[in-house]
Amino acid sequence: EIVLTQSPATLSLSPGERATLSCRASQSVSIYLAWYQQKPGQAPRLLMYDASNRATGIPARFSGSGSGTDFTLTISSLEPEDFAVYYCQHRSGWPLTFGGGTKVEIK
Amino acid sequence: EVQLVESGGGLVKPGGSLRLSCAASGFTFSHYSMIWVRQAPGKGLEWVSSISSVYNYIHYADSVKGRFTISRDNAQNSLYLQLNSLSAEDTAVYYCARDLRPGHTSSWYGDSWGQGTLVTVSA
Repeated sequence: EIVLTQSPATLSLSPGERATLSCRASQSVSIYLAWYQQKPGQAPRLLMYDASNRATGIPARFSGSGSGTDFTLTISSLEPEDFAVYYCQHRSGWPLTFGGGTKVEIK
Repeated sequence: EVQLVESGGGLVKPGGSLRLSCAASGFTFSHYSMIWVRQAPGKGLEWVSSISSVYNYIHYADSVKGRFTISRDNAQNSLYLQLNSLSAEDTAVYYCARDLRPGHTSSWYGDSWGQGTLVTVSA
């Protein structure tokens, strides 16, 4: 099973700041990694897929990079609606797994 | 508009069973692979099971293998998850999600999600 480790667990930032979230895989997943955003009481929302492709309707301030075992989700300038929990997920074989999440909170 | 609506959750005793349903609308259901994901209270996301659009290829997480059964009825535009031999560790909100891509090249990413249905296992 591929383990995805997200860091940091919590990121405290102010609106307008840049957020950098990390997801590290226990073995290579090539580019087969997605990022989701989840707000309290809501279902997850797909942000990025295959490491660097934005899903439909996702603003350009979200970007993803990486391949192999190290991936990054960057939010260039935080908007108030971006404060949420972010999860990564791989699709490089079974079982699919998610990372433990990074909470982006208002400083 | 793509819509996924889960139902069938509730309170069940340890060892009991439930059948979850996911009603799909706004897209050609038979063309998409589907995914179940769960989230225990206050915890992260856990993939549970997936079923492909073509040939009904099925996969399960080890934590539910042999106890849960995924199925689909394309004529009814519905996805199902039969939960048997439930334990407290199965307490979670269960989400169904549609695959990002139609056809046989499933992405196994969820691009549309339902609102979830809560399963509580308690005596």
